[in-house]
Amino acid sequence: GESVGLHLPTLSVQEGDNSIINCAYSNSASDYFIWYKQESGKGPQFIIDIRSNMDKRQGQRVTVLLNKTVKHLSLQIAATQPGDSAVYFCAENIRSGNKLVFGAGTILRVKS
Amino acid sequence: GAVVSQHPSWVICKSGTSVKIECRSLDFQATTMFWYRQFPKQSLMLMATSNEGSKATYEQGVEKDKFLINHASLTLSTLTVTSAHPEDSSFYICSASPGQGATYEQYFGPGTRLTVT
Repeated sequence: GESVGLHLPTLSVQEGDNSIINCAYSNSASDYFIWYKQESGKGPQFIIDIRSNMDKRQGQRVTVLLNKTVKHLSLQIAATQPGDSAVYFCAENIRSGNKLVFGAGTILRVKS
Repeated sequence: GAVVSQHPSWVICKSGTSVKIECRSLDFQATTMFWYRQFPKQSLMLMATSNEGSKATYEQGVEKDKFLINHASLTLSTLTVTSAHPEDSSFYICSASPGQGATYEQYFGPGTRLTVT
């Protein structure tokens, strides 16, 4: 089902450290997953995606890991910077409905 | 490339009036457009999916007569909130996709903040 969060979890990290943001998705039939970054008052910005036939994908400073066994997705950000501070959402494409369902989101705060 | 714009970026209207929000894909043709609503400190909730030239598909619980969606061209979709009430105050975000459905990448607009007084 769709996720709604009234109190978003917060991850606070020191600048330069690595960040790991986790997401549990709901539907075993989902075949495509995306991580988005949303800054205050703006629309979501694509970070990285992964299809269900993969378990890892790397981008620039970011890595997405997919564990289909436990329906878990994670986003790793290397050498976190103040500009990475935002809310991060995972989204899953539910194949039957061919639409994206967003997770609750995680606030990332980077301390200088 | 793949820029999506929304207009207006914010709007304040009185209760009972209607408000139209535009979503445009500036440098690609959008076969499918999606409309989301986001309340403060919450996630994006899909309201409806529209394909150019056909009626929108609304998610469960979204009133199609209240949220009118028109996708008349491959670069423009509009969402009209009819007879707006304070509980409709929210951040409305559109996304556009060059393909059919969500398996193609969605490009998001910057959002429209609606405040109903």
